[in-house]
Amino acid sequence: DTAVSQTPKYLVTQMGNDKSIKCEQNLGHDTMYWYKQDSKKFLKIMFSYNNKELIINETVPNRFSPKSPDKAHLNLHINSLELGDSAVYFCASSQSRGSGANVLTFGAGSRLTVL
Amino acid sequence: QKEVEQDPGPLSVPEGAIVSLNCTYSNSAFQYFMWYRQYSRKGPELLMYTYSSGNKEDGRFTAQVDKSSKYISLFIRDSQPSDSATYLCAMSALGRPGANNLFFGTGTRLTVIP
Repeated sequence: DTAVSQTPKYLVTQMGNDKSIKCEQNLGHDTMYWYKQDSKKFLKIMFSYNNKELIINETVPNRFSPKSPDKAHLNLHINSLELGDSAVYFCASSQSRGSGANVLTFGAGSRLTVL
Repeated sequence: QKEVEQDPGPLSVPEGAIVSLNCTYSNSAFQYFMWYRQYSRKGPELLMYTYSSGNKEDGRFTAQVDKSSKYISLFIRDSQPSDSATYLCAMSALGRPGANNLFFGTGTRLTVIP
């Protein structure tokens, strides 16, 4: 029973196309995230949502648009794909605590290749 | 300068060796320190979590935090081939839910040779 599931796992597409990645968590967490991992394994946050409210919106091109229809889902839509968008995109979730600690549970990743 | 610095390795050790992985950071507001393990083609999974300075032990793994030096370590005793993975340190400051951004190191790739 997968805790954080992402689809698709692999995505190969042409430059200029639009694509979406979906994420669902069944942990009952109230916060969800999108991270991008580049070829050097560096993980960088893109967005975070807490109770469907956008909290973190890092310096990401406007071509990236997250959508959270409910607390259990966070989708990522990418318009006009560019070569530099090729990366592994990880969805994650966490339960906010009074202490503020962030303990993230990650999905398996969606490997995007733009040709 | 990155918020978190981590030697990317790669690091190769024989089975049974003691492994030491380290990260340094620049933001004195960081209070929560974690180590994630990432197997190839998988998502990171939480390995250890510590708050503020001190040590924490869990089986063969020990996490150390020295806030005065802004330096954290992960020690793996009696390393096993199954420990071969990329180890990422991560840390965050106190903040409102979802806003306390987790900053990751670049990861150290470890290979334990049988």
